Amino acid sequence: GENVEQHPSTLSVQEGDSAVIKCTYSDSASNYFPWYKQELGKRPQLIIDIRSNVGEKKDQRIAVTLNKTAKHFSLHITETQPEDSAVYFCAASRNSGYALNFGKGTSLLVTP
Amino acid sequence: GAVVSQHPSRVICKSGTSVKIECRSLDFQATTMFWYRQFPKQSLMLMATSNEGSKATYEQGVEKDKFLINHASLTLSTLTVTSAHPEDSSFYICSARVSGAESNEKLFFGSGTQLSVL
Repeated sequence: GENVEQHPSTLSVQEGDSAVIKCTYSDSASNYFPWYKQELGKRPQLIIDIRSNVGEKKDQRIAVTLNKTAKHFSLHITETQPEDSAVYFCAASRNSGYALNFGKGTSLLVTP
Repeated sequence: GAVVSQHPSRVICKSGTSVKIECRSLDFQATTMFWYRQFPKQSLMLMATSNEGSKATYEQGVEKDKFLINHASLTLSTLTVTSAHPEDSSFYICSARVSGAESNEKLFFGSGTQLSVL
């Protein structure tokens, strides 16, 4: 089955700096890679996703890059703000019928 | 966006009792729903895949007789934790995929249930 590795487990940055979280996956058939933000006791919130036929996607301060050959994808947050502090999860899956497989999460702390 | 309602949000029960958690898709049909368990400061671990009208598929290590899943309609799946014990205390969260969707781009999460077994 799919194995998703995520690094780092914790990340502390100063407000305004950039944050980068990296994930690798093992299943070459995976073609959908979402990123979720989760606050304590809440449901995961989809913040950005990318499909395997695209190398990069950007939405305001958030961007995701995918290297399908190397089987890794990354989340980039620019101009971080304290409200970006949360746990971020990457995930990977194949098409319909398969569940999302999550990384172990990155606890991001943005200090003012 | 699509809404998935999960109830209860929090439940405290005595050891040995059973707890039922409901997951409803409010404005779409969901042929497939997934149940996850999340221990504190850990990732979401898939417990089972639930398909409407058929038996759930459980992940390795998840006891199907302990975690009963029913998906009797296209908008409702339930997870029953039978004979709960303190080690079952966890955050349980469902997710529902829009029927006909080819990928998990149309996947929506419930709000989660925090189960505490005394």
